[in-house]
Amino acid sequence: GQQVMQIPQYQHVQEGEDFTTYCNSSTTLSNIQWYKQRPGGHPVFLIQLVKSGEVKKQKRLTFQFGEAKKNSSLHITATQTTDVGTYFCAGTYNTDKLIFGTGTRLQVFP
Amino acid sequence: ETGVTQSPTHLIKTRGQQVTLRCSSQSGHNTVSWYQQALGQGPQFIFQYYREEENGRGNFPPRFSGLQFPNYSSELNVNALELDDSALYLCASSFTSYNEQFFGPGTRLTVL
Repeated sequence: GQQVMQIPQYQHVQEGEDFTTYCNSSTTLSNIQWYKQRPGGHPVFLIQLVKSGEVKKQKRLTFQFGEAKKNSSLHITATQTTDVGTYFCAGTYNTDKLIFGTGTRLQVFP
Repeated sequence: ETGVTQSPTHLIKTRGQQVTLRCSSQSGHNTVSWYQQALGQGPQFIFQYYREEENGRGNFPPRFSGLQFPNYSSELNVNALELDDSALYLCASSFTSYNEQFFGPGTRLTVL
């Protein structure tokens, strides 16, 4: 079936370092969304990418959608302790099902 | 806060029992999706309701069922509970199935 994998599973960084998580799908995605879930919290929407090769920025966060619409990445520049949480990508495949990735848990040390 | 509410926040049941979880969607949203999130995993899509009709289902057995009401609030029912049903159950509302999902705080279900 359709699967969305994310790497790495965990990432520990020093505050101020950059962080990147990668999302890969076995088949072409219609669109991809990114969510952040703080420990003990619920997923919070960050962004949606729809077009092949699309790049969007939100302050220190940069989101990319691959040309083949099978992969995506989230890059955080100069991490802060407030960035701690698990980052999930979630994609749709011409259906109404949103398939979540396995997530990348980010820990930031001050 | 998203405006999506869920009740109860926590629930403990025993194997074989039945449970009903409730969700009130954000004002103006006519689509509700339910997810199961096991510890350390990503949310797994259970099903989605659009204007009171089921509009897509994930790989969950028929003992997982749902309803959406005219005010777009929703229920998730699980019959014959199993130990593996222990998880955080999240509901999310949206304008359409392809739009951003606004998640509620979840219901933590423990099956003993």
